[in-house]
Amino acid sequence: NAGVTQTPKFQVLKTGQSMTLQCAQDMNHEYMSWYRQDPGMGLRLIHYSVGAGITDQGEVPNGYNVSRSTTEDFPLRLLSAAPSQTSVYFCASSSVARLGYEQFFGPGTRLTVL
Amino acid sequence: LAKTTQPISMDSYEGQEVNITCSHNNIATNDYITWYQQFPSQGPRFIIQGYKTKVTNEVASLFIPADRKSSTLSLPRVSLSDTAVYYCLVGDMGYSSASKIIFGSGTRLSIRP
Repeated sequence: NAGVTQTPKFQVLKTGQSMTLQCAQDMNHEYMSWYRQDPGMGLRLIHYSVGAGITDQGEVPNGYNVSRSTTEDFPLRLLSAAPSQTSVYFCASSSVARLGYEQFFGPGTRLTVL
Repeated sequence: LAKTTQPISMDSYEGQEVNITCSHNNIATNDYITWYQQFPSQGPRFIIQGYKTKVTNEVASLFIPADRKSSTLSLPRVSLSDTAVYYCLVGDMGYSSASKIIFGSGTRLSIRP
């Protein structure tokens, strides 16, 4: 099992550009989520999904879109990148219906917006 | 979601037992207590979860007093590889309350030789 994979590992964007961060898991987990982590800070929830076709907003959803067409994939789209979105982005998945319970995290994507 | 308070940082030495305490005075009846560990440049890793009394696994123990207003993560005989940030989360964690999930800044644990 590869677990949770994220691509790319690093990305530099210019203000106003759009891009998609990819996340995939091979554990057949129903629940997936995206977090961002700013330097020296904890993680903040952006969006989450409780299954294919079902998504909802987290704590900081503005500027981001998600979709869940399959159980395995949960891409995060930045619509128009801003310097405030410079952060490390983590995708996570879980098999149980409690977000805090044994989430498996990917290695992260380090995004810089100039 | 109950607010949690943890020490910003702690130092210890190899071979010692380390106890990290988390305060959560407003914990609700349905809330669970969960701890995560994060190494630099990696995503967090689940350590342990509990509701009351004591929970133990191969990595750590979690002590929760009867009033559940605090909890203590205990790491036995730490090594240099236990240097990491430790997060305490409290909540029922159901997806209906997902928008309130907050990791906070955690406790930065440094282990010295």
